[in-house]
Amino acid sequence: DAGITQSPRYKITETGRQVTLMCHQTWSHSYMFWYRQDLGHGLRLIYYSAAADITDKGEVPDGYVVSRSKTENFPLTLESATRSQTSVYFCASSEQGLLANYGYTFGSGTRLTVV
Amino acid sequence: QKEVEQNSGPLSVPEGAIASLNCTYSDRGSQSFFWYRQYSGKSPELIMFIYSNGDKEDGRFTAQLNKASQYVSLLIRDSQPSDSATYLCAVRGGATNKLIFGTGTLLAVQP
Repeated sequence: DAGITQSPRYKITETGRQVTLMCHQTWSHSYMFWYRQDLGHGLRLIYYSAAADITDKGEVPDGYVVSRSKTENFPLTLESATRSQTSVYFCASSEQGLLANYGYTFGSGTRLTVV
Repeated sequence: QKEVEQNSGPLSVPEGAIASLNCTYSDRGSQSFFWYRQYSGKSPELIMFIYSNGDKEDGRFTAQLNKASQYVSLLIRDSQPSDSATYLCAVRGGATNKLIFGTGTLLAVQP
C-alpha cells in the first residue's frame, strides 16, 4: 500500500521493557520524523532523519533510539520503557528541501501504554 | 515563551458561521506556515500552507499571514459540524525542514 504506515497501532508494555515502533513509507521521501503527542504539550519532535544513515535529535530525545538503514524505514526504539513514555507516537515524512510547501504527511499513529 | 502559540479553546461557533483560529510564533526567520486538522483519535492532516504575507484561499478555508506581527490565522467560512476538530498551527524555520507545532485549538461547530 502506498503511503506511510505505522505498526503496531496499539501497544501495552511493562516498565523496563524495550519496545520498537515501526514506520514505513513508500514515497521515497528523504525526511522522516518521530513525534509524540501528549495532552497539553501538542506534538513534540523526538528524532528526525534527513536521509538514510543521517539522524538527529529533536526536542525530547532522551530514552529513545532511532536508526535509518533504508530510506523507507525509520524505527523508534524505547530502550527501557518508562510510564512517562505513555503517549501517542506519530511518524511523518516529507520531501527533501526547504521549499515552502513541503508539509509533512503523518502515519496513523501508535498508542503506547507503559504499565 | 513557546515558539508557536495557540489558544487551546474550545472555540464554539454555530453552524454556518465563520470560525477564526489564530497562531503566533516567536522566530522571525520562519519561512512557511501550515495548518493541520486533527480529528479525535486520528492523525494530523494538512489543510493549508502559506508563505507570503496576505491571504490565501482554498474553498471555505482562508489562511492569513502577517510576518511583521508574527501571526498566522485560519478562517473557516460556513462552518459545518464536520469541521469540529483540533486545528494545529505549524511553523518552519529559515534553515531547517523541521516543523514546530502549536498545541492546537479545539473547534466545536454547533448544529
